[in-house]
Amino acid sequence: QVQLVESGGGVVQPGRSLRLSCAASGFTFSGYAMHWVRQAPGKGLEWVAFISYDGSAKYYADSVRGRFTIARDNSKNTLYLQMDSLRVEDTAVYYCAREDRDFDIWGQGTMVTVSS
Amino acid sequence: QAGLTQPPSVSKGLRQTATLTCTGNSNNVGNQGAAWLQQHQGHPPKLLSYRNNNRPSGISERLSASRSGNTASLTITGLQPEDEADYYCSAWDSSLRAWVFGGGTKLTVL
Repeated sequence: QVQLVESGGGVVQPGRSLRLSCAASGFTFSGYAMHWVRQAPGKGLEWVAFISYDGSAKYYADSVRGRFTIARDNSKNTLYLQMDSLRVEDTAVYYCAREDRDFDIWGQGTMVTVSS
Repeated sequence: QAGLTQPPSVSKGLRQTATLTCTGNSNNVGNQGAAWLQQHQGHPPKLLSYRNNNRPSGISERLSASRSGNTASLTITGLQPEDEADYYCSAWDSSLRAWVFGGGTKLTVL
């Protein structure tokens, strides 16, 4: 079945880096654009980043531009989010989501906690 | 980045009808419409309606989406206990070149 599985979350100190992964299965990954969306504890959804099906186009939220990098490896059916210079306010569950006109498939999420 | 505006909470009785709203501007909702997502506590979001107001396969016919100007609406008829959840709208903002979400509406079924 169509599935997205995130990994790589954890506890990290402010200023450090972390890389999230999202493994896709059950569909032709290389044919779809993808997103990262996050949700701080008890808060709403916040869009983080977008990458086109072939990686040629990338967009970022103002809150992460210059610190986060979205990437993909279509040969491995995997989406990535490289997060540098992490801040306390980056603490959230991070979801990857498939773009098929809209956010049609979501993973279960991975928790990132930024704390000293 | 400015988000979309949703009422924080809506309460309706069992088997009643709830209409949730999402207000944006001409660069987002007024341009391409808004998608709707449902999120139950502790679970990832689930797409209920595309920006063109069509439902994905498997979504109940009790749900219908519409748009008037810069405001999108999601109507849920015959409310059931399982409809109690958080509902979010989302849209592409052509001016910001970013996706934006509403703050979410908590729907309570009494």
